[in-house]
Order: sequence, then C-alpha cells, then structure tokens
Amino acid sequence: GAVVSQHPSWVICKSGTSVKIECRSLDFQATTMFWYRQFPKQSLMLMATSNEGSKATYEQGVEKDKFLINHASLTLSTLTVTSAHPEDSSFYICSARGGGLAGGQETQYFGPGTRLLVL
Amino acid sequence: GQNIDQPTEMTATEGAIVQINCTYQTSGFNGLFWYQQHAGEAPTFLSYNVLDGLEEKGRFSSFLSRSKGYSYLLLKELQMKDSASYLCAASPSGTYKYIFGTGTRLKVLA
Repeated sequence: GAVVSQHPSWVICKSGTSVKIECRSLDFQATTMFWYRQFPKQSLMLMATSNEGSKATYEQGVEKDKFLINHASLTLSTLTVTSAHPEDSSFYICSARGGGLAGGQETQYFGPGTRLLVL
Repeated sequence: GQNIDQPTEMTATEGAIVQINCTYQTSGFNGLFWYQQHAGEAPTFLSYNVLDGLEEKGRFSSFLSRSKGYSYLLLKELQMKDSASYLCAASPSGTYKYIFGTGTRLKVLA
C-alpha cells in the first residue's frame, strides 16, 4: 500500500512554456499532498502544502503565481510551472499523507519524481 | 529556529554496521522520520519514531531520544545496495510538514 505516482517522469520544454505535473495517490486517499524541489546533491526543499479542496499554502520565497497547485480530489494534485525558465530546471517530487496507513497519518509517501529541463 | 543536523558523508565496508546520527530542533514534535534516497530517485520511507526508544525493522533500526532531540539510524550487515543518501526529517507540532536535514551520503565499499 501507500503508492504515489507522478507523471511525467521526464519533461523537456522550451523557455516560456508551461508544464503540468500530476501527482496521484493510487491506493489511499491523500488528505494532504506536498510539493518539493531538489537540486543535485541537495536535500528536499518544500515548496507548498495542499489540502483537497482548498488553496495551497506556499513556503516563503516560492512564487504562487509561478507554481500553480491544484488539489482537485483526494487522489490527485497538480503542479503547473508557468512560463518556465532554465533556472526552474530541477527534480520535482510530490508526497502524500493519509489516514489508515501502516506508517501512521504523519508519514509522507513520495512519488518517483519529475525531472524538468527547461531549454 | 528549526533545524536538523546530520553528517554530510559516511563511508563503511560491506558487511559492517553503520550508525547515522541526527539532531533536531523543532517547535514541538510530531515525529522523526528516516528515508532512503538513491541517486536520481525519490525517497523511500524507512522508519518513523514518535516515542523514545529503538524501533527495529530487519537490518535497519531507528532510535529516538526526545529529551535530547536526537535520533540515529542503524544499518547492519551492510550491502552494496545500501549506498544511498539517508534523509532525517522531523515534523513540528501543529503541522504535517517535514523539516529535512541535508541528508547523509553513505558509500558502502567492497
């Protein structure tokens, strides 16, 4: 149990375009989903927290108009990188938490990540 | 402030035992988590401690001392496939967010 998927796993796009990344909890209802980005050899940096049906809460320094998050259902959250630029190139990882799982409701389960390269 | 400290790199030999330490400071405490992350992949959940003591799960064990703000991950009978980064994360009270450490890159040598 506690499987989280992400799509796409790789995306290459031109500067100025928008990219949408999907995060799905496959076998549980995700009360909360989190979006992180990770640069090479660095740890995960939380970008935002999203709860189903409400607006995402963004971490300090993260532009909410640039990184649009929608959490339409208990199994799906999307991150849209708008007007992407080369500096947005990174590894984007989502995680999800939910009740009734073996690790407890505080445990986050991570998706496989999406590698974004903006040319 | 909120902070997690763990060593940046460690090296150990195949078959040995290694202990990765983590100290944390958070506003309140909801739990301490350990994740394994291989290069280019997402983190996978290893353990969760919220009470003091040792939690054993096969070759991996995790220990927590809340009064000392300290945890460690113990890996026994090291295998080459254990070469990875090990992330320590703490969850402050009143939130389900994690504060992540920088991660410890473990190299297992033959």
